[in-house]
Amino acid sequence: DIQMTQSPSSLSASVGDRVTITCRASQGISNYLAWFQQKPGKAPKSLIYAASSLHSGVPSKFSGSGSGTDFTLTISSLQPEDSATYYCQQYNSYPRTFGQGTKVEIK
Amino acid sequence: EVQLVESGGGLEQPGRSLRLSCTASGFTFGDYALTWVRQAPGKGLEWVGFIRSKVYGGTTEFAASVKGRFTISRDDSKSIAYLQMNGLRTEDTAVYFCGLTEYSSNWYISYWGQGTLVTVSS
Repeated sequence: DIQMTQSPSSLSASVGDRVTITCRASQGISNYLAWFQQKPGKAPKSLIYAASSLHSGVPSKFSGSGSGTDFTLTISSLQPEDSATYYCQQYNSYPRTFGQGTKVEIK
Repeated sequence: EVQLVESGGGLEQPGRSLRLSCTASGFTFGDYALTWVRQAPGKGLEWVGFIRSKVYGGTTEFAASVKGRFTISRDDSKSIAYLQMNGLRTEDTAVYFCGLTEYSSNWYISYWGQGTLVTVSS
């Protein structure tokens, strides 16, 4: 199985900060990488697919990059509503696997 | 508007069975695949399984943790997908989400349902 490792596990940043989360795959996954946002008690929400393509309706402050084994999710200007846990997921091979999550808090 | 609604969760004893439903609306259900993902209390997301659209054979894939115990089926005429869970274990306790899964070079989840809680306990 492909292991997905996110870093950091949690972070605290101020409103307006630029925030970057990294996701590393244990083997190459091309660009078959998705990012999801989950707020407490809610369903996940799809943000990005194909490593860098934004889902419809997702604000442009979110961006993704990477290919192969190393990927990043960037929030260009952190807002209070961005407080959530973010997960990466590879969909290159089965079983699909998720990272352990990165909890983003507002200072 | 795309909507996915899970139902069928509840309390069940170890070894018993439960069937979850994912009812879809707002899109042509038969054109898409469907994924099940679960989240144990206080834990991260775990991929459970997946069923392709009929055009791609309607075949399924499963995580090792549920393979041989869980099955996924679909009724495109009713826009419903099912997760049949047999031989339930306490570690199957989780919120189960279904996800609309699209194809663009590969299958990825684009929309999620709100989830249904399954508790396995004696």
